[in-house]
Amino acid sequence: EDQVTQSPEALRLQEGESSSLNCSYTVSGLRGLFWYRQDPGKGPEFLFTLYSAGEEKEKERLKATLTKKESFLHITAPKPEDSATYLCAVQAASGTYKYIFGTGTRLKVLA
Amino acid sequence: EPEVTQTPSHQVTQMGQEVILRCVPISNHLYFYWYRQILGQKVEFLVSFYNNEISEKSEIFDDQFSVERPDGSNFTLKIRSTKLEDSAMYFCASSQGRYNEQFFGPGTRLTVL
Repeated sequence: EDQVTQSPEALRLQEGESSSLNCSYTVSGLRGLFWYRQDPGKGPEFLFTLYSAGEEKEKERLKATLTKKESFLHITAPKPEDSATYLCAVQAASGTYKYIFGTGTRLKVLA
Repeated sequence: EPEVTQTPSHQVTQMGQEVILRCVPISNHLYFYWYRQILGQKVEFLVSFYNNEISEKSEIFDDQFSVERPDGSNFTLKIRSTKLEDSAMYFCASSQGRYNEQFFGPGTRLTVL
């Protein structure tokens, strides 16, 4: 069964303290892996798409990387406004339309 | 920047009542989706819609659910007879192509009493 697991569940960082979030997946062929940011009571906000192992994408303080089994979201020198839940989703290559989401990592950045 | 919009933001209904959740996808997108998120749980896929028909649905999307694109801009999710367990945040999403990233709306919080 296709599955996505994110760790840690929650993470508290001091402002400026870099860290990484993990997304492990098992899927019958990967079409794409997607990172989203979700603020409380809001919809997921698209961040990155990764399609193949070795691919990297960057946006401001965020960098996403992909291997054959997992993806990392690296946060460099985070600020309090980076506090949110970060969601990982995969789309299988089996002709499906759906995204399979992980439970997310709740990030809190303290000033 | 174009965005997906949803109305209402919050809907309260009695068990057994019908509800219609509305979405306006991004205008040049061709693929439309509904997901739901029960409080504290994962975002779950319900249904995808393309070319005026359902292209894929999950086990959750039973006969009580239906979708429609009534007028070329709106995309609706109808729940015929709501149950307590339908209480959740419902997100509409759209994408340009089947394998492009999906953009999500702000959600409708459905509370079934």
